[in-house]
Amino acid sequence: GENVEQHPSTLSVQEGDSAVIKCTYSDSASNYFPWYKQELGKRPQLIIDIRSNVGEKKDQRIAVTLNKTAKHFSLHITETQPEDSAVYFCAASPNFGNEKLTFGTGTRLTIIP
Amino acid sequence: NAGVTQTPKFRILKIGQSMTLQCTQDMNHNYMYWYRQDPGMGLKLIYYSVGAGITDKGEVPNGYNVSRSTTEDFPLRLELAAPSQTSVYFCASSYSMAGTGYEQYFGPGTRLTVT
Repeated sequence: GENVEQHPSTLSVQEGDSAVIKCTYSDSASNYFPWYKQELGKRPQLIIDIRSNVGEKKDQRIAVTLNKTAKHFSLHITETQPEDSAVYFCAASPNFGNEKLTFGTGTRLTIIP
Repeated sequence: NAGVTQTPKFRILKIGQSMTLQCTQDMNHNYMYWYRQDPGMGLKLIYYSVGAGITDKGEVPNGYNVSRSTTEDFPLRLELAAPSQTSVYFCASSYSMAGTGYEQYFGPGTRLTVT
C-alpha cells in the first residue's frame, strides 16, 4: 500500500518568514495530494490540494509543488502569521481523493512573534 | 448545514465494553469515512463507504464494524474495547464522482479512552 513520509516533524519560524514542509510518497499510482491544517483540539481542514496533472498550485500565501518523477510534494507558506501555527498533514490518494487517503505523520508549525 | 456531526464528544470505556460512535452528515455526500488519530500521529483509515449499503475496510479495521443503511449516517461499532483503541476518532464525508474526487469534510471528533 501507499506510504507517505513527512518532514520535519516540528518547525519554528519567525513571523513573516517562509515555512516549507516536504512529503514523499511510494505509490506511483497516487494522483491526488491534499494538505490539511489541524489546530489544537480541532478537526483537520483542507487548505490546498494538487492533482497529478499539475506541477504547482498557489492560493494567496500558500503554494504546493509536486514532482511526480521524484514522488515528492511540498507545502510553502510565505509571510507567516501567528494564526498559521498548527499541525499540518500531507496525504496521498490513488483515486483523486476517493476511498484511500494515506496521511503523513504531521508537522507542528510554530510561528514566533 | 451542520456539516458532519459526531456523538459523543468524549467517552471512557472499560476493557471489554462495547459502544457505537455516531456520525451524521447533511451534505448529501455519497462517500463517508472513519479515521483514528493516535497522539502525535496522522490519521489512519478504519472503514469507508461509497454509498448506502456498501462498506469496505481501510488500513486498520480490526476490532471495529460499520454499517451504512442511509446516505446520512455511518456509525462505527467497537466490540470488546481494548486499551489499543484509545484514540481520537474522526468521521469524514465527501462527494465523489467517477474519475474525480472532492474534499473530505471532517467531523469534530470523538475522544475515546479505554481503561
